[in-house]
Amino acid sequence: QQQVKQSPQSLIVQKGGIPIINCAYENTAFDYFPWYQQFPGKGPALLIAIRPDVSEKKEGRFTISFNKSAKQFSLHIMDSQPGDSATYFCAALVGGSARQLTFGSGTQLTVLP
Amino acid sequence: GAGVSQSPRYKVAKRGQDVALRCDPISGHVSLFWYQQALGQGPEFLTYFQNEAQLDKSGLPSDRFFAERPEGSVSTLKIQRTQQEDSAVYLCASSLLSYRNYEQYFGPGTRLTVT
Repeated sequence: QQQVKQSPQSLIVQKGGIPIINCAYENTAFDYFPWYQQFPGKGPALLIAIRPDVSEKKEGRFTISFNKSAKQFSLHIMDSQPGDSATYFCAALVGGSARQLTFGSGTQLTVLP
Repeated sequence: GAGVSQSPRYKVAKRGQDVALRCDPISGHVSLFWYQQALGQGPEFLTYFQNEAQLDKSGLPSDRFFAERPEGSVSTLKIQRTQQEDSAVYLCASSLLSYRNYEQYFGPGTRLTVT
């Protein structure tokens, strides 16, 4: 059962554009929602994370918007650059003693120069 | 400081061979996780250690998969009698164990190819 659904599968934007990646979850026990960036041949790198008690979090050019009632969250990348071209994964975690991450299926982002 | 390291980075095994994959977590990180990432997919949880105790192994796909962390630091994921479906990238992550601090830091992974 896929507990975190991510879309779109791929995304192409021009430099300076604002790509938006969306995720929806089913398990209301999830308590932590990180986004990871992964380059080919590398492990996922933590970008930014949010908890369900806030609706938005911004770090640099990356913003998470969180809608608890809709069970959805999204990543916005402001002023995107070619160096942002990578695969992005959303994830969710229940917390407490259960600390494993449940990942979405990934979005391959290409930022054209 | 040093991040999570994994070795080998690449491993080619013939079907039926046993393999051992190593993970060195960030120093001081109590929690250690193994994930499996198939090509073009998100990582999937395999198992979780807190110090030397394996608290959750619900994601291990079969009894051919075995993980250990005997001294609460380095961990080894062993796969016996490898099958083609075991081909994937195996990722290790580590984390502090503190109240509501869930940040996990990943290593570069070991790409296993079973021929």
